[in-house]
Formats: sequence, C-alpha cells, structure tokens
Amino acid sequence: SQQGEEDPQALSIQEGENATMNCSYKTSINNLQWYRQNSGRGLVHLILIRSNEREKHSGRLRVTLDTSKKSSSLLITASRAADTASYFCATDENYGGSQGNLIFGKGTKLSVKP
Amino acid sequence: DSGVTQTPKHLITATGQRVTLRCSPRSGDLSVYWYQQSLDQGLQFLIQYYNGEERAKGNILERFSAQQFPDLHSELNLSSLELGDSALYFCASSVGEARGRGYTFGSGTRLTVV
Repeated sequence: SQQGEEDPQALSIQEGENATMNCSYKTSINNLQWYRQNSGRGLVHLILIRSNEREKHSGRLRVTLDTSKKSSSLLITASRAADTASYFCATDENYGGSQGNLIFGKGTKLSVKP
Repeated sequence: DSGVTQTPKHLITATGQRVTLRCSPRSGDLSVYWYQQSLDQGLQFLIQYYNGEERAKGNILERFSAQQFPDLHSELNLSSLELGDSALYFCASSVGEARGRGYTFGSGTRLTVV
C-alpha cells in the first residue's frame, strides 16, 4: 500500500528557479526519506529526516517535516537542468521494535528547462 | 555505480515461464530489499532479507519467492509469469536493518513478459 503521496505529480520550472515538492503520509513514522530517480534508473538516496527533526539541509536541498500534519516538503534551490528527475518520498513506518521497511509514494516528476 | 549489482539488466520472456533475478548488495550491507516498479502501481515493496533470514514481506505474490544466500547475494524467483508482471524490479541494500538509514538501490532489472 502507498504511504506517502507526493504533490504535485508533475512540476515544470525554469533553470535557476526553486522547486518545492510535498509529501503526505498516513501513519506514525520513524523517519522520512527523499529519493531521486532518473528515467528508468535506480533510486538515489538524497536525504533522511527523523521524526524528531523539523528541518534538514544538504547542499541545495532543504527538507521539512511536520509530524502533526503528517507532511514533508523538499525544496531544491537554484534548480539546474540536471535536476530533472522523479522525486519520491519514503516513510519508515514505526512498527515499534520491529523493522519497518520503506514505503514509497508515487513521486513528483520534475522537469527543469534550460 | 551504487555498489548494488543487479543482473540481468533486461529480460524478455513468455507468459507462463519462470525467471530468476539476482542481486549482490553493497559490500558490508546485510539487508536486501526487493521492490517492483510499474507505471500503475508505483514502487511496491516485495520482501526483505537480513543476513540470510526473511524479515518482512510486502505485496509479494505467491508465484514469487526470494532467498538470501550465505554470501549475502539474493535471488528473486518469478514463476508462472503473466503480462502484468512486466515491470522494473529493484534490489536495494542497507547496513544492518536500516532503521534510520537510507537504502542503496541497484539499477534494476527490466522484465518484459510477452
């Protein structure tokens, strides 16, 4: 079953603009992660934010997490054509002591035009 | 190169057949996860192994099975194949049981059932 739901499904921007993608989830989580996938390729881990964190930065990426609203956002600043890809959020559900596997959303397809 | 190796990269087979997909995790990673990605279902978690033992099961059909061997490589067996099994199959690995860590994905096996 899908846990995270990304919004928007597709986003088209010009190079240099910022891109914001949102993710909503349904259950209690241990952490939330963002991944990037170039067309038909494997997913690449971008950033992880734990349930007790509210904001995290990594280079041009900024992730926020609001556990009260069960939502997260990924901001890519000063976008480049090379950022064109699909972006997925994934949640590590809180199953207490047992391992929770990552549940992925359907992704946001980002297109950055030069 | 992510360090996770999947073979073969492409596979075309007929309905009713059986195939085996292989995954070698990144060096030092003990957990292996299998995911199926299709256009309509998105990324679906199939199954997880940790150090040779099955740890979690997702939306894996009874026609599908997997195992992790002592050298930690894993195989996903798909039998009685149907057209709807056509998809990208990804393997991912992580250190330990990945609580609080990202996954490293392979580049996937594209399965086409004709």
